[in-house]
Amino acid sequence: KQEVTQIPAALSVPEGENLVLNCSFTDSAIYNLQWFRQDPGKGLTSLLLIQSSQREQTSGRLNASLDKSSGRSTLYIAASQPGDSATYLCAACGTSYGKLTFGQGTILTVHP
Amino acid sequence: SAVISQKPSRDICQRGTSLTIQCQVDSQVTMMFWYRQQPGQSLTLIATANQGSEATYESGFVIDKFPISRPNLTFSTLTVSNMSPEDSSIYLCSIIHDGNYGYTFGSGTRLTVV
Repeated sequence: KQEVTQIPAALSVPEGENLVLNCSFTDSAIYNLQWFRQDPGKGLTSLLLIQSSQREQTSGRLNASLDKSSGRSTLYIAASQPGDSATYLCAACGTSYGKLTFGQGTILTVHP
Repeated sequence: SAVISQKPSRDICQRGTSLTIQCQVDSQVTMMFWYRQQPGQSLTLIATANQGSEATYESGFVIDKFPISRPNLTFSTLTVSNMSPEDSSIYLCSIIHDGNYGYTFGSGTRLTVV
């Protein structure tokens, strides 16, 4: 059974800092891994999708890496802004039409 | 990518009643999923809904409590039946894209049962 863990559970940083969110998964046989952002009481916004054959994906200030052999993914946020404050969730998918297994999330606060 | 319209966005319901949540997708999709997010928790899959067949429920979720309809390739509903305060959660529908197998989520329904 796949288990996904995110560290840290919460992170508070000043504006402008570069930061790294960590995600680990127990079963390396994943199809893809996806990072989401969730604002309080809202749905999920997809940030980055990494296929199992890829090592990283980039979108603007965000970069996500994937190391299947070690069961790890990281989300790098450059030059953080207060608008980045949200909960960040990673989710692993085991097959092409399989369900997602979510981590518990990292609550990020970026203060001015 | 596909856009999902989910409604209602929030509701406050009396215990013992039922609420039906709707998700409309702007394109045809093979599979739709329903997730629950309890307060302070991450997301848990309730069931997978395929058009023209019964939904497939995850362990701990039953059809009598969470009946699901999938009448066509762009629409699905989830009903939360005979509600209790323990059902207070955010409910989200999602789809998987046939091309890259990435997920898109609806905006969620925040349910409070009193």
